[in-house]
Amino acid sequence: EAGVTQSPTHLIKTRGQQATLRCSPISGHTSVYWYQQALGLGLQFLLWYDEGEERNRGNFPPRFSGRQFPNYSSELNVNALELEDSALYLCASSYRTSGRAPEQFFGPGTRLTVL
Amino acid sequence: AQTVTQSQPEMSVQEAETVTLSCTYDTSESDYYLFWYKQPPSRQMILVIRQEAYKQQNATENRFSVNFQKAAKSFSLKISDSQLGDAAMYFCAYNGAGGTSYGKLTFGQGTILTVHP
Repeated sequence: EAGVTQSPTHLIKTRGQQATLRCSPISGHTSVYWYQQALGLGLQFLLWYDEGEERNRGNFPPRFSGRQFPNYSSELNVNALELEDSALYLCASSYRTSGRAPEQFFGPGTRLTVL
Repeated sequence: AQTVTQSQPEMSVQEAETVTLSCTYDTSESDYYLFWYKQPPSRQMILVIRQEAYKQQNATENRFSVNFQKAAKSFSLKISDSQLGDAAMYFCAYNGAGGTSYGKLTFGQGTILTVHP
């Protein structure tokens, strides 16, 4: 069974540009989560999508947005890039459960560098 | 808001020995889940063990076990018979069972574990 995949592996952008990161969940998983792992800030929750809807959002500005497609893959978009957006962006997927926190399976991440 | 604190930035252990990683958390929720994740140098996060807060029995997974003290809001990870492959960054994480904390993992700062042969 294929795991969570993310593309690209590395992404280099300049300040002010837009970045698009992609994630394909494990087959059968309907939930996709995005996390930012920045140096010195640790791992922070960004977004949770399930069945095409945004279900929860972390404390990030609106220029961080995303969507989930009918096949449950997801995109994370970061507009007006700032130097501090440089980080490893991790995607995770899980089954959707009710009232029980599911195990989240993580992808290898996309390393975003903003120059 | 929920917080997770790992007070040990780095730990080391000799191969075959036992090591305990500490984690404390703060929450006002009564129902929640706690996790330990491992992130080896290759970066892929792997779930090590999980604990449901409503269960009094401590979770175990082979060489990995937890000491869950709900009243003290403490959730430590014990690794027995440490192996070289256990070397990684370990994250303690919290996930609420409902409300605004549901569906998101709140992570601690991480503990780098070094295993010496």
